[in-house]
Amino acid sequence: DTEVTQTPKHLVMGMTNKKSLKCEQHMGHRAMYWYKQKAKKPPELMFVYSYEKLSINESVPSRFSPECPNSSLLNLHLHALQPEDSALYLCASRHQEGPPNYGYTFGSGTRLTVV
Amino acid sequence: DQQVKQNSPSLSVQEGRISILNCDYTNSMFDYFLWYKKYPAEGPTFLISISSIKDKNEDGRFTVFLNKSAKHLSLHIVPSQPGDSAVYFCAAGSSGNTPLVFGKGTRLSVIA
Repeated sequence: DTEVTQTPKHLVMGMTNKKSLKCEQHMGHRAMYWYKQKAKKPPELMFVYSYEKLSINESVPSRFSPECPNSSLLNLHLHALQPEDSALYLCASRHQEGPPNYGYTFGSGTRLTVV
Repeated sequence: DQQVKQNSPSLSVQEGRISILNCDYTNSMFDYFLWYKKYPAEGPTFLISISSIKDKNEDGRFTVFLNKSAKHLSLHIVPSQPGDSAVYFCAAGSSGNTPLVFGKGTRLSVIA
């Protein structure tokens, strides 16, 4: 298994809803990432988990809450989002050890629309 | 301050010709560089990478060149095919846990 799997692929939610995005990988990667990508922009880093511990939080609003329950799973809990939070949310993972240019893999993303 | 710059937002190339996508960086701590290809509403797909100890890496139709003194890298696609039409992101990283830094992307259109 050489993939990062993200679910759901599409999500429409109201501003008062609570929802979660899920990311899963079984490559033994111990670094996992959440990125946000708006149209015609590069991926923008949100959070980094290293060995299941949050190591980087790029000043993301508290309405986004990450969780790493185990080494294969990464969640992003969403609550009270704004329409401007609509974007493609990407999960990525890579090997913590070894050549850094290997194993950096992205999921296909969740297209989130906040109405 | 952009650490990774792709100054051409778009590029059009005739099918069969060479596509050259450019990328400049400012952080001399970067020691590896990657190119990703992205279709709309999909995640980036890894294309090719190069370590800072090399100046060239080739994989089929794709070749990446690195000029460390100029802090410049380029992706050559030859021959270009219509299926290569996508947005190409240059990314750079340094050893350890530091995340990748992405350029803004170049939209390549290969015209049949």
